Amino acid sequence: KAGVTQTPRYLIKTRGQQVTLSCSPISGHRSVSWYQQTPGQGLQFLFEYFSETQRNKGNFPGRFSGRQFSNSRSEMNVSTLELGDSALYLCASSSVGTGLYEQYFGPGTRLTVT
Amino acid sequence: GQQVMQIPQYQHVQEGEDFTTYCNSSTTLSNIQWYKQRPGGHPVFLIQLVKSGEVKKQKRLTFQFGEAKKNSSLHITATQTTDVGTYFCAGEGGGNKLTFGTGTQLKVEL
Repeated sequence: KAGVTQTPRYLIKTRGQQVTLSCSPISGHRSVSWYQQTPGQGLQFLFEYFSETQRNKGNFPGRFSGRQFSNSRSEMNVSTLELGDSALYLCASSSVGTGLYEQYFGPGTRLTVT
Repeated sequence: GQQVMQIPQYQHVQEGEDFTTYCNSSTTLSNIQWYKQRPGGHPVFLIQLVKSGEVKKQKRLTFQFGEAKKNSSLHITATQTTDVGTYFCAGEGGGNKLTFGTGTQLKVEL
């Protein structure tokens, strides 16, 4: 099976702009989670989608949003970018149905906000 | 909210030495997972522990889940240069949400 793919891999934006990141999960996986990774804060959970519904949400401001499509592909949007949003954004898919199983991570999108 | 801390933050070892990282949660966990992230890479799942006191081995790696299900450890015997990376624990304390630990960065010197 193909792994989790994320596009784009690298992105440079300026403050105030918005950005949309895309994630394609492993075929058959219905759960997609998003994480922000920074050197100072580590891996922080943003949100999880399962069958097009947001099932869990981390402690991030409303500028961070996401959605999932019927084919399980997911997008994450950040509006009004701030310098502190510079990070590696990781998407992970899982075959979880009602339980919790391992996360398969994509290569990430490196976002730089200038 | 739930917090998961790992110690040490960094560890430098000589090849062949043992290495241990400890993971402590502020709340009881239903299960714990371990991941490894190579430099420049993404986290890769290693193992999941579910039962209180559970011990699992993968070749030179030994994983333990504490009796109270609030702590865990990963021990690597006779480290190799291929073990270099950051090791994360991730606990699920309820609500199907994983909280990742702060990570331990391992460097192995020849």
